[in-house]
Amino acid sequence: DAKTTQPTSMDCAEGRAANLPCNHSTISGNEYVYWYRQIHSQGPQYIIHGLKNNETNEMASLIITEDRKSSTLILPHATLRDTAVYYCIVLSTGTASKLTFGTGTRLQVTL
Amino acid sequence: DTAVSQTPKYLVTQMGNDKSIKCEQNLGHDTMYWYKQDSKKFLKIMFSYNNKELIINETVPNRFSPKSPDKAHLNLHINSLELGDSAVYFCASSQEAGGAGGYTFGSGTRLTVV
Repeated sequence: DAKTTQPTSMDCAEGRAANLPCNHSTISGNEYVYWYRQIHSQGPQYIIHGLKNNETNEMASLIITEDRKSSTLILPHATLRDTAVYYCIVLSTGTASKLTFGTGTRLQVTL
Repeated sequence: DTAVSQTPKYLVTQMGNDKSIKCEQNLGHDTMYWYKQDSKKFLKIMFSYNNKELIINETVPNRFSPKSPDKAHLNLHINSLELGDSAVYFCASSQEAGGAGGYTFGSGTRLTVV
């Protein structure tokens, strides 16, 4: 699976949008962009994924650039409960595919 | 109505002992996984089973043996526990091998070897 690059940490004020960037310049045509997060002491939680179109669900929006070399996860109105480590992962589907976690971005939401 | 449940949540044991961690999912998923998160917080996949068949086996010591009696269960047995086995172990499941629809993780088992 292709590697991703994310900032180590970010801060966001509560109620503001949190925009988390991810670079994946070596992504292949059949690889999806996935976002997970891990809140302290909990299991990782799936957030959203996409191939090339922008995606939105009840948790977040995913914006993927046209060349697919980078993406941004947007939490529209961050709350204190969104404080977590956010992982951007590229993954191809298939029997032997495996979700490989990097170091992620530690998002701290503050009052 | 927990989706992926692991037991026990905490496990403290002495070096050399043998222990098991159990995992069950009620999502009807076909694929289950074990991950290990060490003290530096790196999450690494250990094993993956699809319909009771082993499909991913990372470089894990032979002391670790997964067992899948049916596709809803994936247990992890560890022989001759060592200090370095101390970590949080997460079980996960996905609808398909490769997790195209996303993985659902359990809440983890914190193993401490003393």
